Order: sequence, then structure tokens, then C-alpha cells
Amino acid sequence: DTAVSQTPKYLVTQMGNDKSIKCEQNLGHDTMYWYKQDSKKFLKIMFSYNNKELIINETVPNRFSPKSPDKAHLNLHINSLELGDSAVYFCASSYRGTGNNGYTFGSGTRLTVV
Amino acid sequence: EDKVVQSPLSLVVHEGDTVTLNCSYEVTNFRSLLWYKQEKKAPTFLFMLTSSGIEKKSGRLSSILDKKELFSILNITATQTGDSAVYLCAVAFGSGNTGKLIFGQGTTLQVKP
Repeated sequence: DTAVSQTPKYLVTQMGNDKSIKCEQNLGHDTMYWYKQDSKKFLKIMFSYNNKELIINETVPNRFSPKSPDKAHLNLHINSLELGDSAVYFCASSYRGTGNNGYTFGSGTRLTVV
Repeated sequence: EDKVVQSPLSLVVHEGDTVTLNCSYEVTNFRSLLWYKQEKKAPTFLFMLTSSGIEKKSGRLSSILDKKELFSILNITATQTGDSAVYLCAVAFGSGNTGKLIFGQGTTLQVKP
């Protein structure tokens, strides 16, 4: 029943490791996003895909690579994790831009790099 | 540089008080302004505003947009402890159908019993 679901909810890993976060939406939306929320609660866009095509790619290190196998899924792979990557990562989706109800967010993945 | 600024950054009130949260913005090709409430996890949608001067209401919450002065306010009347949360303002801007949002830094509201 969950509209936008992310896994895992929590991720604790050591510096230098590679990890992935998965996101799926069952709302029939055509656009999906990854946002990073830092410790000060500031949400910043990282990537956006529209119908599997990358349309927004903000200034994000090359260690971050999104992949969208279909328009209902958007995964985020992170190589060589660093301490500064610790944050909450939110997946979101929308229909035709912001549509009438903005984005629908997933519940977030809290990544802690030690 | 496109930006969204919220004020105050934090606010502590008592139940029953009325609060006003502010959001000002500077973006190219403004499309809409959105308010979200974030408790422990995902931000949840409150309002989307596209036209100036038209108030949107939902229960004790209301919001209005001024596109001339480039700001919006979110009012909460008769606050309850359940209103304690971070309130996020976001602006959709740009051309095409990208749906790109830029968020403000949020206002943390604490409502004491």
C-alpha cells in the first residue's frame, strides 16, 4: 500500500564501502527524485528522472550514480563512501512536474558512515 | 542564485497560540510554491499555491502567496502539540516539465502543552 517506498530505512557502513538505496513508487507518477537532507534539515535535490531519462543532475560527486530501470523505480548507488555522505536520503515522485499535490516522499534512508 | 528563505528558523509557542511562518523566494521562472510538514520522517504535503492573493485553507492551517513581493505565509491557529514539526517551504521553478523544487531551510515549530 505504501506509495513511495525506500529500502533500507537505516544504513550504517564504513568509509570506503559501496552501498545502494532502492526506491519504488506505485502511484503511476512519471518523475522520480533523490534528495539529500543534512543535519540542519536542509533538503537539496540530487537527481531527477522522467520516464527513465535523467533530467536533473545537480552538482553531486561522481561517486553517486542513479539508475532507473523503469519509471516506477529509481535507485541510488554510492561508491567509496565518505563521512560527509552521512545524511537522510529521500526519494520522491510526482506526475507532470509538481502536479497538483507536489511531490510524494518516501520515508527516507538514514545513512551513517563511520 | 535561486533561493528560498524561511523565517523564523525556530519557534516555541503554547497550545492555543496562533503562529505565522514566513517564506520568501528569488527564482527564475516561478511556477508554484509548496508547503510541507515534516515530523519524524517523510515531508507531507500541505498546500500548493500558484496565484497571488488566494488563500488556501485546511482546518486550522491556511496559506497565501504574494507574487509581487515574492513571499508566502503559513498560518496555524489554535495550535496543538501535534502541530510540532519542521515546516518546509519549496518553490517549483524553471521551464519545461522538470518539477524541480528548491527548499528553504525550514522552520522548527515546538508547541508546548
